[in-house]
Amino acid sequence: GDSVTQMEGPVTLSEEAFLTINCTYTATGYPSLFWYVQYPGEGLQLLLKATKADDKGSNKGFEATYRKETTSFHLEKGSVQVSDSAVYFCALGGGYQKVTFGTGTKLQVIP
Amino acid sequence: EAGVAQSPRYKIIEKRQSVAFWCNPISGHATLYWYQQILGQGPKLLIQFQNNGVVDDSQLPKDRFSAERLKGVDSTLKIQPAKLEDSAVYLCASSLDAGGGETQYFGPGTRLLVL
Repeated sequence: GDSVTQMEGPVTLSEEAFLTINCTYTATGYPSLFWYVQYPGEGLQLLLKATKADDKGSNKGFEATYRKETTSFHLEKGSVQVSDSAVYFCALGGGYQKVTFGTGTKLQVIP
Repeated sequence: EAGVAQSPRYKIIEKRQSVAFWCNPISGHATLYWYQQILGQGPKLLIQFQNNGVVDDSQLPKDRFSAERLKGVDSTLKIQPAKLEDSAVYLCASSLDAGGGETQYFGPGTRLLVL
């Protein structure tokens, strides 16, 4: 079945550091790919998405590119802030394809 | 625009008891999802509704879990009888439709503790 593998956390970075959170997937067909974020005390919310190969999703300075050849959707940000501290979930699916989430990666940014 | 509403926010029960969770999706959203999120894991889809029909319930433990979405709006998820391993956060989400790439909007979740 479909699956998503994320790098294990927690990831601790200093403010203004470069962030990469790796995500690879296994799926039949061509699913949409998502990054969801859960800030402390808040519910899950969409960060960005890409619906086909080579698409780049971006939001709030975060980017991820749908790479079919490497089955990856790595999340990047050039300069993290303390307010980016959260748990990040990679997910695939959508439409009538079941949405499958990764286990989440906790990011802590220290001043 | 109001978000996805869930109640209760917290529930503590003893094993073998029953419990029900309620979800009210965003107005006009045809697709509704129930997820189970165990501590330290990602959300696991339990059931997906399109209007009042079931699209996917392949991961719903049907011997103890049931869900319904009457009139294609509100939904209720029930566990009967509960087991210790059912302790988790139950998330409800909705999307405008089930088309590829649709954004899901999540409610705050119901945290269940089974003793």
